[in-house]
Amino acid sequence: DAGITQSPRHKVTETGTPVTLRCHQTENHRYMYWYRQDPGHGLRLIHYSYGVKDTDKGEVSDGYSVSRSKTEDFLLTLESATSSQTSVYFCAISEFASNQPQHFGDGTRLSIL
Amino acid sequence: GQQVMQIPQYQHVQEGEDFTTYCNSSTTLSNIQWYKQRPGGHPVFLIQLVKSGEVKKQKRLTFQFGEAKKNSSLHITATQTTDVGTYFCCYISGTYKYIFGTGTRLKVLA
Repeated sequence: DAGITQSPRHKVTETGTPVTLRCHQTENHRYMYWYRQDPGHGLRLIHYSYGVKDTDKGEVSDGYSVSRSKTEDFLLTLESATSSQTSVYFCAISEFASNQPQHFGDGTRLSIL
Repeated sequence: GQQVMQIPQYQHVQEGEDFTTYCNSSTTLSNIQWYKQRPGGHPVFLIQLVKSGEVKKQKRLTFQFGEAKKNSSLHITATQTTDVGTYFCCYISGTYKYIFGTGTRLKVLA
């Protein structure tokens, strides 16, 4: 498996609190992605990065922000968590854009009460 | 945003039976990828198809890309309990965005 570490693996928090999820890679891949996975919706792209300090929105970006200050780290922040953001969050990386497979981390299970 | 539809959503088969999942798009796709996610696990890349009418095989798995590049299928011959999981198709929109299908959850009964 590709060297991708997500932290924390599990988190329970309360509505209104800020939450930051971290994705760390050791593959030196340029592209990094955050997805959320919910029953019946498959994987939906939240934000992605195509280089250090270069990020863009995916299809479900409202309520989320990201930062990438180093090639190896991609952070996902929920500024004020809501119950609708309870989900499993996956980070993925790919070496090049287009026609390249994505490699996924093990996921973070986030529960917001 | 656009999502690729997969059917069926769920499929239960007896071990040894065949299984097929279909991925349908209303627009022409540049390519299509397939991923497998075991229960409790993360998606794992299986294969990519690029050419119209392309067929690729991996042991008991056969992947097809439609002639019009609007649909794709994954067929598993003689399912085994190790095939259990959710199968996703995925295409690339623009340069960077990967759009996943809704997935087909396969359960194999021994």
